[in-house]
Amino acid sequence: DTGVSQNPRHKITKRGQNVTFRCDPISEHNRLYWYRQTLGQGPEFLTYFQNEAQLEKSRLLSDRFSAERPKGSFSTLEIQRTEQGDSAMYLCASSSGQGRETQYFGPGTRLLVL
Amino acid sequence: GESVGLHLPTLSVQEGDNSIINCAYSNSASDYFIWYKQESGKGPQFIIDIRSNMDKRQGQRVTVLLNKTVKHLSLQIAATQPGDSAVYFCAENYARSTTGNQFYFGTGTSLTVIP
Repeated sequence: DTGVSQNPRHKITKRGQNVTFRCDPISEHNRLYWYRQTLGQGPEFLTYFQNEAQLEKSRLLSDRFSAERPKGSFSTLEIQRTEQGDSAMYLCASSSGQGRETQYFGPGTRLLVL
Repeated sequence: GESVGLHLPTLSVQEGDNSIINCAYSNSASDYFIWYKQESGKGPQFIIDIRSNMDKRQGQRVTVLLNKTVKHLSLQIAATQPGDSAVYFCAENYARSTTGNQFYFGTGTSLTVIP
């Protein structure tokens, strides 16, 4: 399977704990995105990488959230001191080339904070 | 059947009928649009895209229509099948002064195909 993969697929944690999610983009895609999706809503943009550089961050991304893409391939999204409001589906997408082009999504990581 | 997109988030159609899903986008500067299909528990799946220099684009059983005058996008699905049951999102994108490639998604329309 050469699509975008995400791990874990599901995560249940207690409030106050830290969690980390991983995204492996389509091979050779240099752009990687993180989105958050709550029930009944469309995905909301969180942050965007071009290679290893984090070029854009949404105001939704509070100080408790951090994302990295150290080698320009896979990316991690960490949430510190989780809150119940962080419960959502966290989606990763990747794209390649120049300009604005199709983003291909992974299956998502569903987070439940108790 | 026809949906008014964000204001009527559910649509039920008989198998074999054509479906029309509508979307009103927000930014007149948006010049690239994608329709995504999302099945329960899965990530959004690309269906078809269209750029603002076009008003119609066809794929396999799907057609996207773009009306920039009224900022309206529609997705037509021909001969709807049970496997088409999903939530459909339109996403818009526009050039910005930064290097962002951010897409903005609508709330989505839930399509149910009745066998």
